[in-house]
Amino acid sequence: DAGVTQSPTHLIKTRGQQVTLRCSPKSGHDTVSWYQQALGQGPQFIFQYYEEEERQRGNFPDRFSGHQFPNYSSELNVNALLLGDSALYLCASSFNGDGQRGNTQYFGPGTRLTVL
Amino acid sequence: EDQVTQSPEALRLQEGESSSLNCSYTVSGLRGLFWYRQDPGKGPEFLFTLYSAGEEKEKERLKATLTKKESFLHITAPKPEDSATYLCALAGAGSYQLTFGKGTKLSVIP
Repeated sequence: DAGVTQSPTHLIKTRGQQVTLRCSPKSGHDTVSWYQQALGQGPQFIFQYYEEEERQRGNFPDRFSGHQFPNYSSELNVNALLLGDSALYLCASSFNGDGQRGNTQYFGPGTRLTVL
Repeated sequence: EDQVTQSPEALRLQEGESSSLNCSYTVSGLRGLFWYRQDPGKGPEFLFTLYSAGEEKEKERLKATLTKKESFLHITAPKPEDSATYLCALAGAGSYQLTFGKGTKLSVIP
């Protein structure tokens, strides 16, 4: 059973460029969330996609956008990159069917983005 | 606003020396409390989900417990391969996001 996969593993960009990160959820999952993790910090929530719509967004600017495809995979796009966008970007998938309970999110290996 | 505070920030243990990691939280309606293990440069690995006060879950040398204000991750007779950063996160009422603490970096010395 394949877990959450992300590509690419590493990426180096320069300030002002744009980047696209990709994520495939764990088999059976229909919801994808994206997180940014700076060194020595816990992951910070960017947004969550369900049924191809952005369902909830964290405190991130509009330069961060995303998409979910009919096969539940997802992309994270970041425009006008800043030095401060350098971080580990994590994708997490979950199944929406657990009702009132918090749905367990399973994380991928991450994409390390370096902005020079 | 949901908040998670983990302590200590770092913990060094001798192999076989049991201890506990703390996760204190404030939330308006807890929908789930989650523990993850993270190795350097990798994504968090799921360990446990707890839903209500009094709940306990175990896996090998790890045991997670939950009260109305705190969760503990107890590590019994740790081994060097247990060295990692342990993250605590919660899901609050009406929210789909996970709110994380900064983690506890555990080092187990042979």
